[in-house]
Amino acid sequence: GESVGLHLPTLSVQEGDNSIINCAYSNSASDYFIWYKQESGKGPQFIIDIRSNMDKRQGQRVTVLLNKTVKHLSLQIAATQPGDSAVYFCAERTLLSYIPTFGRGTSLIVHP
Amino acid sequence: DAGVIQSPRHEVTEMGQEVTLRCKPISGHDYLFWYRQTMMRGLELLIYFNNNVPIDDSGMPEDRFSAKMPNASFSTLKIQPSEPRDSAVYFCASSRVNRAGGNEQFFGPGTRLTVL
Repeated sequence: GESVGLHLPTLSVQEGDNSIINCAYSNSASDYFIWYKQESGKGPQFIIDIRSNMDKRQGQRVTVLLNKTVKHLSLQIAATQPGDSAVYFCAERTLLSYIPTFGRGTSLIVHP
Repeated sequence: DAGVIQSPRHEVTEMGQEVTLRCKPISGHDYLFWYRQTMMRGLELLIYFNNNVPIDDSGMPEDRFSAKMPNASFSTLKIQPSEPRDSAVYFCASSRVNRAGGNEQFFGPGTRLTVL
């Protein structure tokens, strides 16, 4: 039979809009979280990280929010640009392991 | 720094052939990771090394896969014999623990493997 590939969640936005990409994690013991950006044909690239003792961290045009109560992480991109089009992964790590676990990813499409 | 270097960038081979993927981590990084990425399974950790020693290879699919790290600047991932289902993009990544306890991974460009 024919195999069906899993489709990534997709977020489509207009250039200049703000984008919010969400990620749910399952391990309440996770204490460190990372967002990666993967452009077509390239490897994932680190964007920003946050430790569990924080609930917000800002970078250049990006903000990560962490809600430990509901085990939710989000990445906000301000004034989204076409160059932001990529797949975005969240990753989590526990205190006892330096090995992050990656989520499935969200595809961001920015329309000019 | 040139970043993580992988070779080859593309590999097309026939089923049953041996495939060797190569990785040079970033100098000074003491962790090295091999990942496989497919549409079906996403990004899977195959194996990782710390100070050249394999720590966890539980992600290696089967005995056809093997990885070595003979020194701090070089690692290989070998598939023998290769099968069509091994077709994927293979990434190498390296990291080190920073002062804050974080360990962001730096990924190479990947090797796109196609097994016919």
